[in-house]
Amino acid sequence: DADVTQTPRNRITKTGKRIMLECSQTKGHDRMYWYRQDPGLGLRLIYYSFDVKDINKGEISDGYSVSRQAQAKFSLSLESAIPNQTALYFCATSRSGEKLFFGSGTQLSVL
Amino acid sequence: GENVEQHPSTLSVQEGDSAVIKCTYSDSASNYFPWYKQELGKRPQLIIDIRSNVGEKKDQRIAVTLNKTAKHFSLHITETQPEDSAVYFCAASKELEFYFGTGTSLTVIP
Repeated sequence: DADVTQTPRNRITKTGKRIMLECSQTKGHDRMYWYRQDPGLGLRLIYYSFDVKDINKGEISDGYSVSRQAQAKFSLSLESAIPNQTALYFCATSRSGEKLFFGSGTQLSVL
Repeated sequence: GENVEQHPSTLSVQEGDSAVIKCTYSDSASNYFPWYKQELGKRPQLIIDIRSNVGEKKDQRIAVTLNKTAKHFSLHITETQPEDSAVYFCAASKELEFYFGTGTSLTVIP
């Protein structure tokens, strides 16, 4: 089945470390997104991309960067992780701006 | 940017009763309003959506209503079942960007 795959599923890291979360999709969608989920705060948009040459900041992009290496791949980096970046991170895709499909999520803990 | 508010944050209903979750949005340019269900430990999944040119949409026990003038939309679940227990998120979207509410934790009591 066409899907949205995130790696790793879980990650524990230390303050100050650089880490990368990866997302790949076989749905053939052009649009890809990164969200973080915190209890009581819902899903907040970090970055999104319309295609390989298009990167846009979302509402909480500070401390994060992204790379769209190919239409099917969209990675999220934390250059210097801090504890308040501990959260559940979701990658999502869509075609034509409707019907977001989410990946299975990456639980990140920054100690 | 868009601001989506969602109420209530928690909701408990008896099995068979109805549940209603309400959301408001701030940007009148938003034109697509999906609802997602997230079961414990799983990814959010789309359950129903509505476009701004439609006032109501129904799919079996689930319905969504939209009031563009007041900028609010609601999810209605009838004849609730224990498997409806989950966190529900509303969202508002225009073009590329999706903005989500803070979620409603629904518990259906058998």
